[in-house]
Amino acid sequence: QSALTQPRSVSGSPGQSVTISCTGTSSDVGSYNYVSWYHQHPGKAPKLIIYDVTKRPSGVPDRFSGSKSGNTASLTISGLQADDEADYYCCSYAGIYTWVFGGGTKLTVL
Amino acid sequence: QVQLAQSGAEVKKPGASVKVSCKASGYIFTSYHISWVRQAPGQGLEWMGWISTYNGNTNYAQNLQGRVTMTTDTSTSTAYMELRSLSSDDTAVYHCARVDPTGDLIDYWGHGTLVIVSS
Repeated sequence: QSALTQPRSVSGSPGQSVTISCTGTSSDVGSYNYVSWYHQHPGKAPKLIIYDVTKRPSGVPDRFSGSKSGNTASLTISGLQADDEADYYCCSYAGIYTWVFGGGTKLTVL
Repeated sequence: QVQLAQSGAEVKKPGASVKVSCKASGYIFTSYHISWVRQAPGQGLEWMGWISTYNGNTNYAQNLQGRVTMTTDTSTSTAYMELRSLSSDDTAVYHCARVDPTGDLIDYWGHGTLVIVSS
């Protein structure tokens, strides 16, 4: 199972919006509406911020939104804040209790 | 609240084995599955495998087949991951993570266990 493809880094100024893409294949992202996104601050555990492509867990602000088209999923963060600076990972269910992750994207808030 | 408490850091020599534990609390252990995910230094997340806490069924990543074993002890709500024939490529932080009952979402994560493989 090959890793999902994410940009290595993205950046934006406070208040702006950024979008992180996550490209898979017809065997994972394209086949299932089970794409999730996590952010990870240095030294911390990953935290779920989006699941089932578009859903937000309780407590996650609506500045975070997800979408999918074909084999590519996207995470958009609007109204950037300093604390959003972290590593972001996408993940797709790939069938029969298997998952595949993206390589991660470092978000820098300028 | 959901917590996954992992065992402490380990230093192993090449060829050795390591066994990492993950004690769950704050939910019914057998109602959720467990996955293990590792993160090599400066690298992304790599899914290693899944275990059903209900019946012990497992599914391992192809590249780890034959070297990894995942088990659970339902009496102590603890999951274990053993990795054998270690090499320097196995140096990583190993996370356990909870998988929701529908079996398609990894939601909560342990803080991770650093395993260093060095001669």
